[in-house]
Amino acid sequence: ETGVTQTPRHLVMGMTNKKSLKCEQHLGHNAMYWYKQSAKKPLELMFVYNFKEQTENNSVPSRFSPECPNSSHLFLHLHTLQPEDSALYLCASSQESPGANVLTFGAGSRLTVL
Amino acid sequence: RKEVEQDPGPFNVPEGATVAFNCTYSNSASQSFFWYRQDCRKEPKLLMSVYSSGNEDGRFTAQLNRASQYISLLIRDSKLSDSATYLCVALSGSARQLTFGSGTQLTVLP
Repeated sequence: ETGVTQTPRHLVMGMTNKKSLKCEQHLGHNAMYWYKQSAKKPLELMFVYNFKEQTENNSVPSRFSPECPNSSHLFLHLHTLQPEDSALYLCASSQESPGANVLTFGAGSRLTVL
Repeated sequence: RKEVEQDPGPFNVPEGATVAFNCTYSNSASQSFFWYRQDCRKEPKLLMSVYSSGNEDGRFTAQLNRASQYISLLIRDSKLSDSATYLCVALSGSARQLTFGSGTQLTVLP
């Protein structure tokens, strides 16, 4: 496997369900991210992990819970979501350095909340 | 005002045409800029970084104007495969402060 892989690619869940999105990067990068992409809106940064320490939480509701057990894996745990949370969730990784930060994205997990 | 603003389009152009996209940014502290390409229902992929002197990669030319705070992307001799959404991205502050525009949709017609 190369690059950034995400599973599942598609997920349909009810508002009372609990599910998790998984991301794995095979690039040796030191930072991993969760982004949300809704139709016609810019990508929204949700969480950042650098060397598996969370360094950013952009006022994301607590129904989204990230977990980064090591620098290659990132999870997004979902519970009691709302229909407006339906979106494409993109994981990305990068090798952060001053003045440069090129992201490699996974293919995304398309989430539908009923 | 959006931090990174793009004309959403859509731009519909014939094959072989030249098309240009502009992007404006509001944070004057932005350090680096990028263009990403996103195909329908796929993830964004880096197209090119934008250097202060401007840079060219084949049919693609990126320009940066810091005084006016805009970035441009020029595509010459458009191909059908260029059809995608083009995302403008600004990097400012710490390395993780990447701000994305909403994207400009391009369709190249046969």
